[in-house]
Amino acid sequence: GAVVSQHPSWVICKSGTSVKIECRSLDFQATTMFWYRQFPKQSLMLMATSNEGSKATYEQGVEKDKFLINHASLTLSTLTVTSAHPEDSSFYICSVRDRGLYNEQFFGPGTRLTVL
Amino acid sequence: AQTVTQSQPEMSVQEAETVTLSCTYDTSESDYYLFWYKQPPSRQMILVIRQEAYKQQNATENRFSVNFQKAAKSFSLKISDSQLGDAAMYFCARTYSSGTYKYIFGTGTRLKVLA
Repeated sequence: GAVVSQHPSWVICKSGTSVKIECRSLDFQATTMFWYRQFPKQSLMLMATSNEGSKATYEQGVEKDKFLINHASLTLSTLTVTSAHPEDSSFYICSVRDRGLYNEQFFGPGTRLTVL
Repeated sequence: AQTVTQSQPEMSVQEAETVTLSCTYDTSESDYYLFWYKQPPSRQMILVIRQEAYKQQNATENRFSVNFQKAAKSFSLKISDSQLGDAAMYFCARTYSSGTYKYIFGTGTRLKVLA
């Protein structure tokens, strides 16, 4: 399956600052990537679908002005958390979709964001 | 409603024994896919097994197999010969919104393997 990396793996920032998280598909051209958020001991919640060359599609209840997504190439999608607040602290995971037989997703290792 | 339900928050199994994790879901779609993912303490999501909804035959991957009951909308995972490395959170997922094939995940089952 596809190999997906995320950078950074862990970031601490001050309240009010912006943080950018990168998701790279290392061996696969990904027209579609997904961003998830996972709170401790909870499931993954889909935040948005990132489409190469077009605007991201956000799930209901996700603030698109707060969570900016850019999918500028077939191998890179970025999530920027703007004006971060402590309630934005979470584990953020990206995935790439394989448009083959199963439409399965391959996941990055995740990024732990802590906002002080 | 788009739901995936895992009714067992936690399960335990003795090493070398067999355990079954349950998953049920709601859908009105005919074209969808089902998956089980494992999330160990590292939090890296690892695909365990997948199933196409239009296939009646249950998927198997080595020690992992599923019991797929389409009419009942049930997709359980059986782990045979359990190993210590199987200890993890297990999430059931299905695709929805054909075209984008987004996932909806279940709430997860924490599996403990006892030596």
